[in-house]
Amino acid sequence: EAGVTQFPSHSVIEKGQTVTLRCDPISGHDNLYWYRRVMGKEIKFLLHFVKESKQDESGMPNNRFLAERTGGTYSTLKVQPAELEDSGVYFCASSQDFRREGSYEQYFGPGTRLTVT
Amino acid sequence: AQKVTQAQTEISVVEKEDVTLDCVYETRDTTYYLFWYKQPPSGELVFLIRRNSFDEQNEISGRYSWNFQKSTSSFNFTITASQVVDSAVYFCALSGPLQGAQKLVFGQGTRLTINP
Repeated sequence: EAGVTQFPSHSVIEKGQTVTLRCDPISGHDNLYWYRRVMGKEIKFLLHFVKESKQDESGMPNNRFLAERTGGTYSTLKVQPAELEDSGVYFCASSQDFRREGSYEQYFGPGTRLTVT
Repeated sequence: AQKVTQAQTEISVVEKEDVTLDCVYETRDTTYYLFWYKQPPSGELVFLIRRNSFDEQNEISGRYSWNFQKSTSSFNFTITASQVVDSAVYFCALSGPLQGAQKLVFGQGTRLTINP
């Protein structure tokens, strides 16, 4: 079974540019999460999709970040315009059914390292 | 508010030594879940264990063991007879009850280096 995949693995952009990160969850997982780790700090939650609906977007830092999950499969996270403080590693995770024991674990992808210069 | 503290930023030991990674948490939920993840050099976060707040039994899986103590709000992770392949960053995390917010709250991570 394929794991969570993320693209690209690295992205270097200039301040003011736009970047779109993609996440493909494990097949059959309705729940998809975005997290990010800014240099030297803890991994922080950004948002949670259940299928195509946003269940919780309390961690989104500002309106420069836009997440979508059309069709309830893969998700994109767009940063527009990017700022220096957006640099970090963006992780995606998926889980099968967050309401049921045994299907709750979040499985993470390798992350996208974003550098804004 | 939920919070996870991993006070040890970096630990370095010699192979075959035992090592314990500390994790202390704060939460107002009566039902909650605790996790440990491993981040090897390849970058992905690998799930190691989940423990719910009603189960205080210690767990052992091979060379790995976990000590959950509700009285001290701690969920420590011990590696026995460490090996070089155990070198990684380890994260402790916390989430609320199944019906509530599902986001994971992470500690800052402990970078573990096992020297041959």
